[in-house]
Amino acid sequence: EAQVTQNPRYLITVTGKKLTVTCSQNMNHEYMSWYRQDPGLGLRQIYYSMNVEVTDKGDVPEGYKVSRKEKRNFPLILESPSPNQTSLYFCASSPIRLAGLPNSYEQYFGPGTRLTVT
Amino acid sequence: GENVEQHPSTLSVQEGDSAVIKCTYSDSASNYFPWYKQELGKGPQLIIDIRSNVGEKKDQRIAVTLNKTAKHFSLHITETQPEDSAVYFCAAHGNILTGGGNKLTFGTGTQLKVEL
Repeated sequence: EAQVTQNPRYLITVTGKKLTVTCSQNMNHEYMSWYRQDPGLGLRQIYYSMNVEVTDKGDVPEGYKVSRKEKRNFPLILESPSPNQTSLYFCASSPIRLAGLPNSYEQYFGPGTRLTVT
Repeated sequence: GENVEQHPSTLSVQEGDSAVIKCTYSDSASNYFPWYKQELGKGPQLIIDIRSNVGEKKDQRIAVTLNKTAKHFSLHITETQPEDSAVYFCAAHGNILTGGGNKLTFGTGTQLKVEL
């Protein structure tokens, strides 16, 4: 089954304790991205990756790190979590498509990770 | 960068009525506009999309319209059913050929409630 998986689904941690949220996709997609979802703010992009070893900042990258050593995996790292990083996090993937082709840029989302930092 | 505004933030309709959600975008070069549905406890899922060279697209009870001149697009759901209750997000995709990157910018979401 084609899917994006995230682990853990729920995490409660304390300020300053490093954590990693894993993301894996089995669709051989080049593009992967992390979003955070907060009430009234919608989905905001944290980091994205166009391919292995190619990552770039999204709209809200402060306090986060990512890596893309393999095509299927795109972990999100919080080196020193703070309470303002309490949020619902989503990983997504999509194939890279060129403009002009009659295809969509559909992104496939994981089930989400609910993070609470106290 | 791109800015997407979405209205209303909440919408309550009676079963069988129609629902309309509206979005505006700022970057005239954006060329792809998807709509995602997020059910409780799940990730968003694509329900319909439209490219900039098309004015309207329909898929059963769901339709999307795009006005490039005014830079706004809308989601129309007819004959609403209780299972349509969810959060809906609009988004705009940058134009790779003009440097917009492979990036989706999302609206802030609309909580749709279909009441019996």
